[in-house]
Amino acid sequence: SQQGEEDPQALSIQEGENATMNCSYKTSINNLQWYRQNSGRGLVHLILIRSNEREKHSGRLRVTLDTSKKSSSLLITASRAADTASYFCATAPATSGTYKYIFGTGTRLKVLA
Amino acid sequence: SAVISQKPSRDICQRGTSLTIQCQVDSQVTMMFWYRQQPGQSLTLIATANQGSEATYESGFVIDKFPISRPNLTFSTLTVSNMSPEDSSIYLCSVDEGGYTFGSGTRLTVV
Repeated sequence: SQQGEEDPQALSIQEGENATMNCSYKTSINNLQWYRQNSGRGLVHLILIRSNEREKHSGRLRVTLDTSKKSSSLLITASRAADTASYFCATAPATSGTYKYIFGTGTRLKVLA
Repeated sequence: SAVISQKPSRDICQRGTSLTIQCQVDSQVTMMFWYRQQPGQSLTLIATANQGSEATYESGFVIDKFPISRPNLTFSTLTVSNMSPEDSSIYLCSVDEGGYTFGSGTRLTVV
């Protein structure tokens, strides 16, 4: 299936450290997005990167996209306890239109105070 | 961005019964999306709901089990019918604004 795979599945770091999560996918995409989910509730959209972009920043977030390797990474710098959450990548397959997103398996991040 | 009110936020239901989940958007949107997130899993698209037409279901999901209504451009419901414990999940509605905006989710437990 198109579903993305994320690694690591779980990550535990100290406050102030950087957290890096990776996402791999299988087919061509229009864009890739990252979401955060706190405590099994609704997801919050963090950032969108288009297939013709290689890097994007938003505050403490940095996302890279390598379409040749079909992979993306999310870097959270200077992490805080409030960043503790699950993070999901989602891809918009090029063949299915931009509205039908396929979610990855997620990374559970725990930031220790 | 749009604000989505989803309710109920959680429910515990007996097997064999049905539950209807509602999503209200504060702006008019063409498409609404319903997702399921099973415990510890990622999100799986159930169906896409367009106003004025029948919902489009993904493989593995059928209208008899998950009937959807979309009476206008700001509202949709998803019903989980004849529930079994395997239906215990978080159900989420969303709209696409160049990135999804999600409702807060409905945590369903079937006993």
